[in-house]
Amino acid sequence: GEDVEQSLFLSVREGDSSVINCTYTDSSSTYLYWYKQEPGAGLQLLTYIFSNMDMKQDQRLTVLLNKKDKHLSLRIADTQTGDSAIYFCAESSSGTYKYIFGTGTRLKVLA
Amino acid sequence: GAVVSQHPSRVICKSGTSVKIECRSLDFQATTMFWYRQFPKQSLMLMATSNEGSKATYEQGVEKDKFLINHASLTLSTLTVTSAHPEDSSFYICSADSGLNTEAFFGQGTRLTVV
Repeated sequence: GEDVEQSLFLSVREGDSSVINCTYTDSSSTYLYWYKQEPGAGLQLLTYIFSNMDMKQDQRLTVLLNKKDKHLSLRIADTQTGDSAIYFCAESSSGTYKYIFGTGTRLKVLA
Repeated sequence: GAVVSQHPSRVICKSGTSVKIECRSLDFQATTMFWYRQFPKQSLMLMATSNEGSKATYEQGVEKDKFLINHASLTLSTLTVTSAHPEDSSFYICSADSGLNTEAFFGQGTRLTVV
């Protein structure tokens, strides 16, 4: 079945950039998403990218997609302590809103 | 964006009892809703797809008799955890789609603790 993998932890200093990586196996993925989850809370959609795009920028967030390698990344510029959370990538295939979530990356921002 | 409301946000129940969780789309109609489960420090796993007016489609390994799903209207799906046990303690979260957007909309989640 489909598989979405992420590194488990990332620690950065406040003000630095964070790069969270995600690899997936489903070549029919149409949309790829990044969600943020704070402790004890639900999911917050950060951004998404359509599979025919290579890059998408939204303020401090930059998403890069390498479809050939099935690799997705999320770059957070000027990382702040409020960015500390778990970040999930997710993918869905055309015609469905059924998501396959990645394993999640716990981002810790050090002051 | 569209709003999906999930209720309750937290519930504690005794082992052997049943718990019902509601997922409502507040400002749109959702022919399909999805139920996910998240164990502590783990990812979200799809449990089932809830289809309005028909039976839910369960993912492999999910017991349909234990996790009853009802999607009786275009704005409401319910998940009932029957005969709950401590191992059912988890974070349950639903999502819904209107078919018009690029993303599904998630509820706030329900933290179930079975004691």
